[in-house]
Amino acid sequence: EAGVAQSPRYKIIEKRQSVAFWCNPISGHATLYWYQQILGQGPKLLIQFQNNGVVDDSQLPKDRFSAERLKGVDSTLKIQPAKLEDSAVYLCASSPGQQETQYFGPGTRLLVL
Amino acid sequence: GQQLNQSPQSMFIQEGEDVSMNCTSSSIFNTWLWYKQEPGEGPVLLIALYKAGELTSNGRLTAQFGITRKDSFLNISASIPSDVGIYFCAGQPPYSGYALNFGKGTSLLVTP
Repeated sequence: EAGVAQSPRYKIIEKRQSVAFWCNPISGHATLYWYQQILGQGPKLLIQFQNNGVVDDSQLPKDRFSAERLKGVDSTLKIQPAKLEDSAVYLCASSPGQQETQYFGPGTRLLVL
Repeated sequence: GQQLNQSPQSMFIQEGEDVSMNCTSSSIFNTWLWYKQEPGEGPVLLIALYKAGELTSNGRLTAQFGITRKDSFLNISASIPSDVGIYFCAGQPPYSGYALNFGKGTSLLVTP
């Protein structure tokens, strides 16, 4: 069974630029999560989807971050405009349902200069 | 999210030694999970605990869900070099969308 796929694996941009990350969850998984992991910290939830609906986006900085999962499968996370403090690893995870085991992708490493 | 206190922050041990790390919280969780993360990869689930007092093993790994539902520990017996990585505890609170709250991780280094 294929795991959670993410792209790109690495991205370097200048502050104030825009960037987008893509996630393809495990087939059949209804729940999708985006986490931000700053160096030396554990992952922190940004947004959670159940199918194509948002369950929790309370920790998403909505002035600059946005995410969508239009068809309930793939998802994109966008940052516009990026700040230096957005440098982090962005992890996507999926699970069959909300209370079930979450499987993580390899992450996208973002460096904002 | 709720703050999880994970300790120790790092460990440097010799191959064959046993390892113990723990996680505490000021609030209760319904589920405790332990993940391992290697460089350049996402976290991989090691052990999941669903009931207070539960003790679960996975090979050389053993983890327990504290009776108070506010703590958990992970033990690794007879460590080997491939145990190197960062170990994270994560708790799932009894509300909201069941998203995980992570600790800051324990970095483990094992020398041959």
